[in-house]
Amino acid sequence: GQNIDQPTEMTATEGAIVQINCTYQTSGFNGLFWYQQHAGEAPTFLSYNVLDGLEEKGRFSSFLSRSKGYSYLLLKELQMKDSASYLCAVRSGGSYIPTFGRGTSLIVHP
Amino acid sequence: GAVVSQHPSRVICKSGTSVKIECRSLDFQATTMFWYRQFPKQSLMLMATSNEGSKATYEQGVEKDKFLINHASLTLSTLTVTSAHPEDSSFYICSALERGPPRYEQYFGPGTRLTVT
Repeated sequence: GQNIDQPTEMTATEGAIVQINCTYQTSGFNGLFWYQQHAGEAPTFLSYNVLDGLEEKGRFSSFLSRSKGYSYLLLKELQMKDSASYLCAVRSGGSYIPTFGRGTSLIVHP
Repeated sequence: GAVVSQHPSRVICKSGTSVKIECRSLDFQATTMFWYRQFPKQSLMLMATSNEGSKATYEQGVEKDKFLINHASLTLSTLTVTSAHPEDSSFYICSALERGPPRYEQYFGPGTRLTVT
């Protein structure tokens, strides 16, 4: 099975930078997703990491270390609309179906 | 990007009745669709994988006779919650898989909020 761990909740200030961590334990790792989910809505794709390193996409960046079973999502220049749940999802064992973590609820305040 | 729709967005039903939720891929063909359930402040829990033209594959602990899944075409999958009870109240989300390396990306529908009274 898989074990995916994320903090339950984080708070940050508008304009600041926040890093949301995700650790996982799995066999046959073959990809990690980050999704954003606003309350009552479906998740939307943010990033996908397969290889080690940092991938930057606008204000959002995602990092992966396969040897450490660790990823983080970095959000810069936070905006109020970034208040949402951020889901880490891991694909492994030859399956294309990812397993989702519990999500991190990010609250951005003025 | 690809669009997936779900209908209805919200439904309230009485205990003991059945509810059907539709999931459609609007601009691509999806041979595989997934059904998830999400309780408040919880993660997405995969209920079943639906393949067009064949029986759905249910995750452990999900009652196949209670959650009926039909994937009759390449653009439509339906989930029917039979004899619904208050504990079935949840947010149900479908996703459709667009095959192709390297991501085999899932596109999620907007979700259906089911409330059983």
